[in-house]
Amino acid sequence: GQQVMQIPQYQHVQEGEDFTTYCNSSTTLSNIQWYKQRPGGHPVFLIQLVKSGEVKKQKRLTFQFGEAKKNSSLHITATQTTDVGTYFCAGLDDYKLSFGAGTTVTVRA
Amino acid sequence: DTGVSQDPRHKITKRGQNVTFRCDPISEHNRLYWYRQTLGQGPEFLTYFQNEAQLEKSRLLSDRFSAERPKGSFSTLEIQRTEQGDSAMYLCASRSTDRAGDYGYTFGSGTRLTVV
Repeated sequence: GQQVMQIPQYQHVQEGEDFTTYCNSSTTLSNIQWYKQRPGGHPVFLIQLVKSGEVKKQKRLTFQFGEAKKNSSLHITATQTTDVGTYFCAGLDDYKLSFGAGTTVTVRA
Repeated sequence: DTGVSQDPRHKITKRGQNVTFRCDPISEHNRLYWYRQTLGQGPEFLTYFQNEAQLEKSRLLSDRFSAERPKGSFSTLEIQRTEQGDSAMYLCASRSTDRAGDYGYTFGSGTRLTVV
């Protein structure tokens, strides 16, 4: 089955700064989804990317799907304390999602 | 609230005991998934249902684990003869395949199992 790797595992960000987290797959993905899990919470769906090279924005979050559909990235601008949590990418593999280990984000005020 | 509900929220059990968890998905969602999550890891797929049919079960899942969705609505996950390695958060998620647009999963709040 496919494996989805995320880097970095931890991201410590100064409030107001930008950062990017990356997701790489060992196989071509039909689509990729991103989720956010707050401390003590459950994963919450953010977005789905389907097309090669697709870029989608949600306010300060920009999601990109690679041209080869084997990688994806999430870029957050002007980080806020509300961005704290773990961000997971997940690839759709035969009708089920396979999740990466996530990037855990902490914010220094 | 029409979200995914899981019960109980927490379960502490002695090694060797059986436990059962319940998930009530969003009513119009035909797909239901069970995942397991341990600290510092992403959710790991266990099994899923389309309506009442169990379509796939992870090869990593031992025979001590069984899941049902008898009427295509709620689902139960049973773990027999629990072991300490079963301690984890058990997440249920649902989604619909009957509408266009994003197909994100809606997760429940999970059942945290501690085996002592």
